[in-house]
Amino acid sequence: EAGVAQSPRYKIIEKRQSVAFWCNPISGHATLYWYQQILGQGPKLLIQFQNNGVVDDSQLPKDRFSAERLKGVDSTLKIQPAKLEDSAVYLCASSLEVFSGNTIYFGEGSWLTVV
Amino acid sequence: DQQVKQNSPSLSVQEGRISILNCDYTNSMFDYFLWYKKYPAEGPTFLISISSIKDKNEDGRFTVFLNKSAKHLSLHIVPSQPGDSAVYFCAASPAGTALIFGKGTTLSVSS
Repeated sequence: EAGVAQSPRYKIIEKRQSVAFWCNPISGHATLYWYQQILGQGPKLLIQFQNNGVVDDSQLPKDRFSAERLKGVDSTLKIQPAKLEDSAVYLCASSLEVFSGNTIYFGEGSWLTVV
Repeated sequence: DQQVKQNSPSLSVQEGRISILNCDYTNSMFDYFLWYKKYPAEGPTFLISISSIKDKNEDGRFTVFLNKSAKHLSLHIVPSQPGDSAVYFCAASPAGTALIFGKGTTLSVSS
């Protein structure tokens, strides 16, 4: 079974530039998550989708971050304009359904450095 | 306000001995608790979980203990192996919501 795919793996941009990350979840997984992991911290949820609808985006900085999940499969996370504090690993994860004890599977992450 | 706390940033253990990683939480509504392991440059991988209606779950060398009255859980690895060296994240969730993670504990197992 293919895992959660993410791209690009690494990205370096200057502050105020924009960047987009792509995620393809495990086939058949209805729930998709984007987490941000800053160095030395645990992953923090940015947004959760159920199919193509947003379940929770309360911690997404909406003035600069946006995410979409068209057709309930792939998802894109965009940052515009980027700030230095956005340097982090952006982890995409998926699960069969809204979490109720079932496992959440993570991709390898997209590493962002803002200079 | 951290709802899931891992107060030990690092732990060093000798091969063959027991590793005990600890986690405290503040939200009594959490239904599920999970442990994830993360190697450098990789995403977290699921290790073991426990429901709030249980106090112990075992899977091979890994055992998770839950003490609801103390709002504390621990992960025991016996015997520890060098390949267990990684960052371990404790995570928790009320059913229907996404996982909330601790800051992680870096385990180093020396041979």
